[in-house]
Amino acid sequence: KNEVEQSPQNLTAQEGEFITINCSYSVGISALHWLQQHPGGGIVSLFMLSSGKKKHGRLIATINIQEKHSSLHITASHPRDSAVYICAVKPNTGTASKLTFGTGTRLQVTL
Amino acid sequence: KAGVTQTPRYLIKTRGQQVTLSCSPISGHRSVSWYQQTPGQGLQFLFEYFSETQRNKGNFPGRFSGRQFSNSRSEMNVSTLELGDSALYLCASSLSLAGGQETQYFGPGTRLLVL
Repeated sequence: KNEVEQSPQNLTAQEGEFITINCSYSVGISALHWLQQHPGGGIVSLFMLSSGKKKHGRLIATINIQEKHSSLHITASHPRDSAVYICAVKPNTGTASKLTFGTGTRLQVTL
Repeated sequence: KAGVTQTPRYLIKTRGQQVTLSCSPISGHRSVSWYQQTPGQGLQFLFEYFSETQRNKGNFPGRFSGRQFSNSRSEMNVSTLELGDSALYLCASSLSLAGGQETQYFGPGTRLLVL
């Protein structure tokens, strides 16, 4: 079982829809990252969380440390949001712990 | 401020050859991490450097190595290339905390094809 599980693997939405992508992890963590990867490969860091909730524009990320779960929400989705969204965790096993990635959620937003 | 740059962007090599990839972090960033992305394994951590020292290493064979220079620029080297080394190699920089404990800024990646 992977340390980081994302769902769904693929998601198609119509423009304007509210989107939720989920990330569950099995280890104690010191930080969780949400990344966005567009076709062509470039990765952009969207959020880094260790507790609570963060908002940036139409994007909201939440984390529940007790339940080992995080969600990424996109409000009023737009075709330019089409990308792969990747969750990554930093286990809290010391400085030697390695950033561990989920397999990603491929989002397509259509007109 | 310029972003993270990686060179070359694309590379074709044959089995058995070696390759060196370069990463220049954002000015002022002292931590550089390297990642490999393949369709089968997804994103995997390779190694992290801070102040010219390898601070952390992923589960890759010894053919994968790296170094960091005094100006924080980093290189990674893969010797005796195998077909399975074909991947997108990404580097990311951050200010100073151990990799993953602060926002990381990714470069555009180097796409390596091994024939």
